[in-house]
Amino acid sequence: EVQLVESGGGLVQPGGSLRLSCAASGFTVSSNYMSWVRQAPGKGLEWVSLIYSGGSTYYADSVKGRFAISRDNSKNTLYLQMNSLRPEDTAVYYCTFSGYWGQGTLVTVSS
Amino acid sequence: DIVMTQSPLSLPVTLGQPASISCRSSQSLVHSDGNTYLNWFQQRPGQSPRRLIYKVSNRDSGVPDRFSGSGSGTDFTLKISRVEAEDVGVYYCMQGTHLLTFGGGTKVEIK
Repeated sequence: EVQLVESGGGLVQPGGSLRLSCAASGFTVSSNYMSWVRQAPGKGLEWVSLIYSGGSTYYADSVKGRFAISRDNSKNTLYLQMNSLRPEDTAVYYCTFSGYWGQGTLVTVSS
Repeated sequence: DIVMTQSPLSLPVTLGQPASISCRSSQSLVHSDGNTYLNWFQQRPGQSPRRLIYKVSNRDSGVPDRFSGSGSGTDFTLKISRVEAEDVGVYYCMQGTHLLTFGGGTKVEIK
């Protein structure tokens, strides 16, 4: 059974950093393309970043240069390193793979 | 970047009646591999999104057959043949042909 479990969210001040994790089971992270998607409070879904099986990475313009997606094959885990956080980055962050979604982790950027 | 435009924004429906949601892309979603990567998601209140339809018209496992997807090129439709109370939520289209882009969402509610 495929499972995705996000963690690492929390309250952070503007300009701060957080690293989100997505622990996967039931499939191999490195063999598939995976994405991070976020949802600001009361808003729609916004794609943030993706990583292909070959390792190529892509980012939405809103996070380019500040966020970095990566994976640890030995842990079968996806990461999102978020730097220079802004209040507008406040959202629930989901990792997703082929139609499967985790439960999300809330990131709040506020002073 | 591909822009996805959904309509209507809000869709009040009577139980047992059909419902239809439109999704238009700013450019063709036909990939160079011949596939059209247009998906539909349902997000019930307080839950993570759930994929209903992938590649335009393929229902995911466990999705009731009252849900159907159709379309081609730049115009796509999600239809619910007979709306049930559990169908309340927000529906999103998403293109995966060139990176990922979500539509703005359509809120389905019962009249």
